[in-house]
Amino acid sequence: DGGITQSPKYLFRKEGQNVTLSCEQNLNHDAMYWYRQDPGQGLRLIYYSQIVNDFQKGDIAEGYSVSREKKESFPLTVTSAQKNPTAFYLCASSTLSGINEQFFGPGTRLTVL
Amino acid sequence: SQQGEEDPQALSIQEGENATMNCSYKTSINNLQWYRQNSGRGLVHLILIRSNEREKHSGRLRVTLDTSKKSSSLLITASRAADTASYFCATDDQAGTALIFGKGTTLSVSS
Repeated sequence: DGGITQSPKYLFRKEGQNVTLSCEQNLNHDAMYWYRQDPGQGLRLIYYSQIVNDFQKGDIAEGYSVSREKKESFPLTVTSAQKNPTAFYLCASSTLSGINEQFFGPGTRLTVL
Repeated sequence: SQQGEEDPQALSIQEGENATMNCSYKTSINNLQWYRQNSGRGLVHLILIRSNEREKHSGRLRVTLDTSKKSSSLLITASRAADTASYFCATDDQAGTALIFGKGTTLSVSS
């Protein structure tokens, strides 16, 4: 059953804590992406990676960090430096065929208490 | 860096009616995609139209692209309650490495 998974579905964080969101795909896709979605808004790109051990900042990378140690995995850490982390986080993947059709995970809703 | 902007922001129709939503973008594109998002879920790819195409069909979906006006439209024919969702257009960024999404149109289909 191929697809992209995210965990946890819901995450609660106290102010000052770092939290890590998991994203795994078994689609054999080279590229992976992290987006943030706020209510009534579109998706904003946080980070993306096209190859293992390499990643690029998106439009809103401040306060976030990522790693890409394996092709299948692209975890996102929301650090204490991110002032407004409450949002819906979406992970996606795609091939590098030139047609950037992205496949999305179900999302993680992060709430700061 | 917002590339696509959907219009209208919200649309309410009855089952059986057609729903049309529009997307405008700013810079030249290689292709334009439409995605659907059910409430609280991830996005699902619906259809892709290349810059050299003017119209494309997929089931009850019809997409048009006018590169001279930098705009696209998504038509859903004979809408069903299950079509209730948010719809987003997306275009490649200038480097062709990531997608830029609009803010979406929220469609509500009542029975």
